[in-house]
Amino acid sequence: DAGVIQSPRHEVTEMGQEVTLRCKPISGHNSLFWYRQTMMRGLELLIYFNNNVPIDDSGMPEDRFSAKMPNASFSTLKIQPSEPRDSAVYFCASSPGGLSKNIQYFGAGTRLSVL
Amino acid sequence: AQSVSQHNHHVILSEAASLELGCNYSYGGTVNLFWYVQYPGQHLQLLLKYFSGDPLVKGIKGFEAEFIKSKFSFNLRKPSVQWSDTAEYFCAVADGGFKTIFGAGTRLFVKA
Repeated sequence: DAGVIQSPRHEVTEMGQEVTLRCKPISGHNSLFWYRQTMMRGLELLIYFNNNVPIDDSGMPEDRFSAKMPNASFSTLKIQPSEPRDSAVYFCASSPGGLSKNIQYFGAGTRLSVL
Repeated sequence: AQSVSQHNHHVILSEAASLELGCNYSYGGTVNLFWYVQYPGQHLQLLLKYFSGDPLVKGIKGFEAEFIKSKFSFNLRKPSVQWSDTAEYFCAVADGGFKTIFGAGTRLFVKA
């Protein structure tokens, strides 16, 4: 398996623009997580899905952030409009079900820079 | 609410030194415990895990961790570090639900 695939790897955009980050989880995994990593705040859980349904979005910082999972093999995290303080590395992770459901497999991340 | 505390934010060691990174969590029930490692410029990957059984667990690259239930701790150890162990290490706790709480991370720098 290719692992969790995120795109793009790097995104540079201007303040006010819409940004869409993409994630393809590992095939067969039931849960998907979006994290944001910054030097100041560390690794923050933004939202997670189980069987394509959002379970907890309490970590989403504000209404400018939205996430969808239209099917088991694809998820997006959208920021509209983007702001400089959104600059961070965004990680997607997926987990299998069953006894290993808490083991998370991370993608390579998207480094977002908002100018 | 669950929380995870990592004692050191930065650790600097010379090669061959022994390593111990502290991790404490707050949760009274049954937990699953993890250490993840993030090498420079890379994504997090699982180093080792504890679900049940022997409280001393061994992971990849010579790392081990000991679960001490009475102390709510899950400290990471390695007898002799190498330059290639330079990375950030995250302790994480899950209560069996979907959500995993990560600690703030400890940055380890190993001098060659």
